[in-house]
Amino acid sequence: EPEVTQTPSHQVTQMGQEVILRCVPISNHLYFYWYRQILGQKVEFLVSFYNNEISEKSEIFDDQFSVERPDGSNFTLKIRSTKLEDSAMYFCASTNRVPNEKLFFGSGTQLSVL
Amino acid sequence: SQKIEQNSEALNIQEGKTATLTCNYTNYSPAYLQWYRQDPGRGPVFLLLIRENEKEKRKERLKVTFDTTLKQSLFHITASQPADSATYLCALAPDSNYQLIWGAGTKLIIKP
Repeated sequence: EPEVTQTPSHQVTQMGQEVILRCVPISNHLYFYWYRQILGQKVEFLVSFYNNEISEKSEIFDDQFSVERPDGSNFTLKIRSTKLEDSAMYFCASTNRVPNEKLFFGSGTQLSVL
Repeated sequence: SQKIEQNSEALNIQEGKTATLTCNYTNYSPAYLQWYRQDPGRGPVFLLLIRENEKEKRKERLKVTFDTTLKQSLFHITASQPADSATYLCALAPDSNYQLIWGAGTKLIIKP
């Protein structure tokens, strides 16, 4: 069964450094998402992406965050200057259905900012 | 304020029994509601979606109900197995043009 893949599985960085989290969504999917989940807390929406542009973003997704789909397969989340509070599990998701229905999630990248 | 509530306490069920999880919401009129399963350190896995005009949906041992008057969805697992142990999340979109909002999840533990 096709799956969403994310790399790396773990990322440790120093505060203020830039990180890029990578995702390969399912190949025929059209809608892409980044979510994050702080340990023990709810899944939180960051951004949605469709037709090569951001379709919606949350208050969390400030100027320090950006997303790109540089080619037909990769979907990246960049955090320019990481903060301690950015430490979380970051999930990429995609769907080919109506937006937000039946999302397929990757296994996540655990980001630790020291 | 708008919110989704799931029982934050873990639910312990004996193997073979039916597990019932609750998702309550306020101040929304969602077109649909979704249930996902999440294992520790993994991403959520989609299980079922139920629309506002559907009262009940089934998939194998899973059943979801949706009461838009009570603003509640119930998620049932019949003939539960230890492998069903996980955290179960409900999610809804306040309207079709809005992103999913997630409940905090209920941890289900099935004891052999």
